[in-house]
Amino acid sequence: AQTVTQSQPEMSVQEAETVTLSCTYDTSESNYYLFWYKQPPSRQMILVIRQEAYKQQNATENRFSVNFQKAAKSFSLKISDSQLGDTAMYFCAFMNPISSGSARQLTFGSGTQLTVLP
Amino acid sequence: EAGVTQSPTHLIKTRGQQVTLRCSPISGHTSVYWYQQALGLGLQFLLWYDEGEERNRGNFPPRFSGRQFPNYSSELNVNALELEDSALYLCASSVARGGEQYFGPGTRLTVT
Repeated sequence: AQTVTQSQPEMSVQEAETVTLSCTYDTSESNYYLFWYKQPPSRQMILVIRQEAYKQQNATENRFSVNFQKAAKSFSLKISDSQLGDTAMYFCAFMNPISSGSARQLTFGSGTQLTVLP
Repeated sequence: EAGVTQSPTHLIKTRGQQVTLRCSPISGHTSVYWYQQALGLGLQFLLWYDEGEERNRGNFPPRFSGRQFPNYSSELNVNALELEDSALYLCASSVARGGEQYFGPGTRLTVT
């Protein structure tokens, strides 16, 4: 079974600064999907960014980018120019490859609570 | 485009009662997933429905069940409620064989 580990329960960053959230995972699959979701105080889970394991290029979405190290099974999220609205719980998640018969649920890490300080 | 919707937003039940939670996926999405987010336990996968069929279930007892309707909406039923069932229940949807799952706002269930 896959496992996802987020070793930083809490982090804080000053507004406009850059912060990196860590995530490691364990799988025997060669092709899979990785995601970062954010959950603000409203509790709505919001997809931040997605990475397909077969793509070597790191995904980027505006101020959010990832550092995907497949051999090391590491998937960190970098938030640039942090904003107060980035304050949220951030979850790293793993999903099996899309193939017939594979389980398609997300396996989540325990989350990192990020606080952006004014 | 409307997102995933869930109802009700909150509900309070007594131990031993039964509850039904509802989820409507994004238009065009055929897969629905249910997750439980209980305090201290993180996000745990409950059930996955696709094209009206249950495709996979997580490590939960049989009193957690559900179904998916022809319009792809879904219900989650929990029988014989226990105190530890108190949690935020999240529904997500995706296109068939798609990657991203999009979440609804959740239903907060409190069992007293």
